Amino acid sequence: QKEVEQDPGPLSVPEGAIVSLNCTYSNSAFQYFMWYRQYSRKGPELLMYTYSSGNKEDGRFTAQVDKSSKYISLFIRDSQPSDSATYLCAMTNNAGNMLTFGGGTRLMVKP
Amino acid sequence: NAGVTQTPKFRILKIGQSMTLQCTQDMNHNYMYWYRQDPGMGLKLIYYSVGAGITDKGEVPNGYNVSRSTTEDFPLRLELAAPSQTSVYFCASKADTIEQYFGPGTRLTVT
Repeated sequence: QKEVEQDPGPLSVPEGAIVSLNCTYSNSAFQYFMWYRQYSRKGPELLMYTYSSGNKEDGRFTAQVDKSSKYISLFIRDSQPSDSATYLCAMTNNAGNMLTFGGGTRLMVKP
Repeated sequence: NAGVTQTPKFRILKIGQSMTLQCTQDMNHNYMYWYRQDPGMGLKLIYYSVGAGITDKGEVPNGYNVSRSTTEDFPLRLELAAPSQTSVYFCASKADTIEQYFGPGTRLTVT
């Protein structure tokens, strides 16, 4: 069993839809939870991160962490074709330590 | 700032050959990382460094070596290339914060 599980997709949605991306994990020591966006043939870039449980909002993006269920989510409101990319979740037990990545979910937003 | 740069962008190696993947960052970051990304597998950490002169193994170090003689540079050496090392290699760096900044990647094929 992988330490971080993520549905690979692809997930195809129409423009304007609400998108839900999810990861589950097994290591209860994880404290920092990150979402990276990776466009085709590019390096990942950090979208947002949360510390411990709770929600965090940044524009059209909302990250949720439920540590009791070991489940994290990224919601994208009013999705745009420019949101088409692979979304990677990543986790670590402290800020200076190694990240553990999920396999990524490929999202396609159709105009 | 150029951020994190990697060379070469692409390379084809024959089995048994060696090569060095170059990584340079101009952000004066102490932490640097090498990852490999295989399809659907997320990123796996090969080696990392917390400062010049200090390196440590990640999750998948076998077949690779690194050095960190300066803050800016973190080259990755492949000795005796094998088909299993066919992958996309990403270098990343960070300061004393959570965010890692990734380079554009090197696509390596070993045949």
